Amino acid sequence: EAQLVQSGPQMKKPGESLKISCQTSGFDFTSYWIAWVRQKPGEGLEWMAMIYPGDSDIRYRSSFEGQVTIAADKSINSAYLQWSSLKASDTAMYFCARRRYSSGPLDYWGQGTLVTVSS
Amino acid sequence: DIVLTQSPGTLSLSPGERASLSCRASQTVTSNYLAWYQQKPGQAPRLLIYNTSIRAAGIPDRFSGSRSGTDFTLTISRLEPEDFAVYFCQQYGTSPTFGQGTKLEIK
Repeated sequence: EAQLVQSGPQMKKPGESLKISCQTSGFDFTSYWIAWVRQKPGEGLEWMAMIYPGDSDIRYRSSFEGQVTIAADKSINSAYLQWSSLKASDTAMYFCARRRYSSGPLDYWGQGTLVTVSS
Repeated sequence: DIVLTQSPGTLSLSPGERASLSCRASQTVTSNYLAWYQQKPGQAPRLLIYNTSIRAAGIPDRFSGSRSGTDFTLTISRLEPEDFAVYFCQQYGTSPTFGQGTKLEIK
């Protein structure tokens, strides 16, 4: 069965950089899209971006373009979400999730990584 | 972007009752690309329904989805105690968006 296991919670200060990971197993990593979804405390879900590790096709939601960077490493079946300069407003839970097609539902999800940004 | 508006914000029902959750799209959803997810506290969302009405693997048949124009409905025929959670709809066309969620709570 497909599994997505995310890295642990992070506490950072404004202006710091951060890279969180999503380690996958149980499926062909290069044949699925990996999406990142944000959930701020007590709020709903926001689509951020997605990557197709097979050819490194990357698509950002316009509001997240330039704010975050996503990447994938096919050799270890892992996807990444990173920030170069965190803001307090980046405090949220971040989920990675798998989708079979560029237009498809998110059928398997990671457990989430809580990122807290506070001075 | 397509805006999805879910109603009600909170639905209070008892086990055994029928639940109907609404998701209204601001414009036509491409190819019925509408999904429903269930999220329990401290957990990741779980896919319930995709393509408007197809149940995901392992989802009980008390969950069903339907569409009328730009209005989508998730119906839970007889509520079980484990069904009380937050439900999100999502359109997953070119620029995916989520609804704000409906909290289904025990009355």
